[in-house]
Amino acid sequence: SAVISQKPSRDICQRGTSLTIQCQVDSQVTMMFWYRQQPGQSLTLIATANQGSEATYESGFVIDKFPISRPNLTFSTLTVSNMSPEDSSIYLCSVEEAGRSDGYTFGSGTRLTVV
Amino acid sequence: RKEVEQDPGPFNVPEGATVAFNCTYSNSASQSFFWYRQDCRKEPKLLMSVYSSGNEDGRFTAQLNRASQYISLLIRDSKLSDSATYLCVVNRGFQKLVFGTGTRLLVSP
Repeated sequence: SAVISQKPSRDICQRGTSLTIQCQVDSQVTMMFWYRQQPGQSLTLIATANQGSEATYESGFVIDKFPISRPNLTFSTLTVSNMSPEDSSIYLCSVEEAGRSDGYTFGSGTRLTVV
Repeated sequence: RKEVEQDPGPFNVPEGATVAFNCTYSNSASQSFFWYRQDCRKEPKLLMSVYSSGNEDGRFTAQLNRASQYISLLIRDSKLSDSATYLCVVNRGFQKLVFGTGTRLLVSP
């Protein structure tokens, strides 16, 4: 399965600032996904990132708050903009590998604390 | 009502016990189903896919009942290392995964 490198692993940020999270995959993948896991909660899909097109956002998430880049088939970034304490969460990227339908692989996550 | 519902637990069992987790989903158009395992402060990892015919992998058995929209996971001969949160996950199409809130398992000596 694909190996995903996600950076940073954790950060503490001031409210009002922005943080960009990077996700690098060791193979070309068609689709990449960004999830949020709030404290004590399960994962919620933020958006789907396709190479060469704009990301598709889920209900409750908007591009101005969570801009996403997908410049090629192995890399994506998620930015958390104008952060508030409510954005404190774990952010994870995930990939679907071409030709596989038996689940998805996740990055190790970015633990974000906004103070 | 949540789209995927699980008993949050925790389930406290002794080593060697058999434990079963249940999950229900509300979207009848859901296409594929999975159990993931998540250790504390770690990312989720695929445990197994779930098929209508049943799926067994060593001590783990998963079942899907589409008519009842019900998924189960059975763990036999529990090990200390099985302690984790088990996430029921449903793919409702267009690669959209919906996660349950997880069932926490604690296996004690």
